[in-house]
Amino acid sequence: AQTVTQSQPEMSVQEAETVTLSCTYDTSESDYYLFWYKQPPSRQMILVIRQEAYKQQNATENRFSVNFQKAAKSFSLKISDSQLGDAAMYFCAHKGKGGGADGLTFGKGTHLIIQP
Amino acid sequence: NAGVTQTPKFRILKIGQSMTLQCAQDMNHNYMYWYRQDPGMGLKLIYYSVGAGITDKGEVPNGYNVSRSTTEDFPLRLELAAPSQTSVYFCASRPGLAGGSDTQYFGPGTRLTVL
Repeated sequence: AQTVTQSQPEMSVQEAETVTLSCTYDTSESDYYLFWYKQPPSRQMILVIRQEAYKQQNATENRFSVNFQKAAKSFSLKISDSQLGDAAMYFCAHKGKGGGADGLTFGKGTHLIIQP
Repeated sequence: NAGVTQTPKFRILKIGQSMTLQCAQDMNHNYMYWYRQDPGMGLKLIYYSVGAGITDKGEVPNGYNVSRSTTEDFPLRLELAAPSQTSVYFCASRPGLAGGSDTQYFGPGTRLTVL
């Protein structure tokens, strides 16, 4: 079974600075997907960024980028030029491509605080 | 498109009562999912469906039932509610077509309290 670990329950960053959220995962598959979702106080789950394991190039979406280290099973999220609207819970998630139950496996989340 | 919609937004149940959480999507997605999110935790998969008439268990299916009679709707049934089922419930969907995106789109959630 896959597991996803987020070792930082809470992170704090000054507005306009850069912050990196950590995620490690465990899987026996060679091909899979990794995601970062943002959950603001409204509870809505919002996709931030997506990475396919067979792609060596790290995904980027505007101020958000990932550092995907497949051998180390690490998938960190970097947020540049942090904004007040980035304050939220961030969840790392894994989805395999093989057999077994379809669906995402989530970490416990990191609470990101933006200091003005 | 409304995307994924869930009703109700909030509900309080007494122990032993039953209820159905509704989920609908208007994106013609084949795959639909139910997750629960307990306080301070990530989401856990309860049940999923790959198409009308086909459902399967996820990580935490006990105490729940699902059905999928149409592509659009995927209701979650709680029988004999227990305090351990107090949680926020999310429905999600994705296209599921060959070559299609694996990205799941989530509804706004239902907060359920069992007293």
